[in-house]
Formats: sequence, structure tokens, C-alpha cells
Amino acid sequence: EIVLTQSPASLSLSPGERATLSCRASQSVSSSLAWYQQKPGQAPRLLIYDASSRATGIPARFSGSGSGTDFTLTISSLEPEDFAVYFCQHRYNWPLTFGGGTKVEIK
Amino acid sequence: LQLQESGPGLVKPAETLSLTCTVSGGSISSGTYYWGWIRQPPGKGLEWLGSIYYSGSTYYNPSLKGRLTISVDTSKNQFSLHLSSVTAADTAVYYCVKDTGIRYFDYWGQGSLVTVSS
Repeated sequence: EIVLTQSPASLSLSPGERATLSCRASQSVSSSLAWYQQKPGQAPRLLIYDASSRATGIPARFSGSGSGTDFTLTISSLEPEDFAVYFCQHRYNWPLTFGGGTKVEIK
Repeated sequence: LQLQESGPGLVKPAETLSLTCTVSGGSISSGTYYWGWIRQPPGKGLEWLGSIYYSGSTYYNPSLKGRLTISVDTSKNQFSLHLSSVTAADTAVYYCVKDTGIRYFDYWGQGSLVTVSS
């Protein structure tokens, strides 16, 4: 099973600031990684797939990069609605696994 | 496309947890998509449980040690989860999901909280 480790566990930032979230895989997953956003009481929403492709309707301030074992989700300028928990997920093989999440909080 | 989970909110230890996902706005038999279940214990992360194709082909998370069965009923546009021998550790919000076709998840149900308790 591939283990995904996300860091930091939480991030305290102000609106307008840049957020940089990390996801590290225990072995190479090529570019087979997605990012999701989850707000309290809601289901997760797909943001980025295959490391760097934005899902339908996702604003351009969200971008993904990386390959192999190290991946980054960047939010270029935080909007109030971006404060949430973010999860990464690989699709490289079975079983599919998720990272533990990074909570982006308002400073 | 909408997905909606249904089933009991409370299950006793050692019993079987059963949930059904009803898909509306699209056919479960169309496309090359898998349909799946993901759970999230309160305040914790996400765990993929398993996925099924409309033909019945399945993939399961081995962490569930053979306790999980996922089935599909194309006539009702539904798929179901059955998790046997539950314990308190199975208490979670259970989401039914649609696969994008390449093992990411683009549509999610609202989630169904299932508590395992006597």
C-alpha cells in the first residue's frame, strides 16, 4: 500500500496570501495524484487530477505540480472560501489511498 | 448527476452494515466509470473502501480483510455496500462516489453517518 504523507498538518494564513501544501508518497506514483478540498459538513470536491490538471470549474488560483514522490498544491491568493481541509489521493495502483489532510485556517 | 446514500444510521457491533447509493441524472451502466465507497471517521481522514463496475467487477481495500461486499443493481440504478462483523472502528460518514474513469472521484453523495454501538 502506498502511504501519502501531507505537510504541514495545518497552515494559518490570511486572505490574499499564498498557500503551499505538500504531499509525499512512500514510492513513486508517477503523475497519478489528485487533490481534493473539503469544507465542514460537506463532501470533498475534486480540484486537481494527474498532478497538475484542474478539474471542471476549478479557479485558476489553484495549481498542482510534482511527479514521482513529491507533489505540491498551491493556492496563489487565498479567498475566504478557500479555508478548508485539503487531501491528496493517488491512483497509481490498488488500493487507492489518501493523505491525512492539511487544514488551511484563517490567521 | 446526483448520488444519494440511504440506510440505517445505527448498527450493533458484530452485525452487518448495509448502505445503498441511488444514482440519478445518469445511468450507472453508461461510460467506463467505476462506482465506489469511501468513508471518513469523525474528525479524521478519508479511506477508500472499494469500487464496482456496472458489470459487477470489483476492487476492494485489503484492509477490510474480506468483510466488504459491493454489489450493483443496474435495473434500479443503484449500488450497495455490505460490511460484516462491524466494530466501533467502523463508525464513520460513508460516501458513495463516481469514478472519473481514471480512479479519481468527481461526484460524491452527501454522506451517511453510521454509528456502531449497542
